[in-house]
Amino acid sequence: NAGVTQTPKFQVLKTGQSMTLQCAQDMNHEYMSWYRQDPGMGLRLIHYSVGAGITDQGEVPNGYNVSRSTTEDFPLRLLSAAPSQTSVYFCASSFDGFGYTFGSGTRLTVV
Amino acid sequence: AQKITQTQPGMFVQEKEAVTLDCTYDTSDPSYGLFWYKQPSSGEMIFLIYQGSYDQQNATEGRYSLNFQKARKSANLVISASQLGDSAMYFCAMRVDNAGNMLTFGGGTRLMVKP
Repeated sequence: NAGVTQTPKFQVLKTGQSMTLQCAQDMNHEYMSWYRQDPGMGLRLIHYSVGAGITDQGEVPNGYNVSRSTTEDFPLRLLSAAPSQTSVYFCASSFDGFGYTFGSGTRLTVV
Repeated sequence: AQKITQTQPGMFVQEKEAVTLDCTYDTSDPSYGLFWYKQPSSGEMIFLIYQGSYDQQNATEGRYSLNFQKARKSANLVISASQLGDSAMYFCAMRVDNAGNMLTFGGGTRLMVKP
């Protein structure tokens, strides 16, 4: 049982490049979400999904896209990377909103 | 909108003593849940304890307890008998049931345990 798997663990991008952060869970959780954590701060919600085919914006959605074509996968796309998107990105999933499993994070640096 | 406030950026505690980490929250929704997470220097998010808004008793999990004062909108984490391994960032978070079941986090408190 792998839980929530995020890839890659580290990534360096140049300004203007695009990329996709992958998130997969094998627990059949309906709820999935993406957060970013800037240095010395708490996590902020980027986008979330309450089931396959359903996504919605969180607190800081600008510059990011998501899709949820399957229950297992919830990729986060950076459209045109900017230095302000340098952060640690966490994916989380939940069965019922009472317990959340977090991935190990992706550390992204945009230069 | 929901908001979580942690007013202690950093705290020291002597090993084997108890420590309280403060958390206040703001929501107009009557149904919500409060969480505490630990983030060690390795970066992973570790779930510690959960309190539902309708729970009658304060939650406890081993050395962790949550001092839930609903009228004051506070949900302080109490760690008893601190250990060196408790040194980490601690985050308070809230889930509001009518807001997509997603979490809103506070800014965190860095706890440092002194030997």
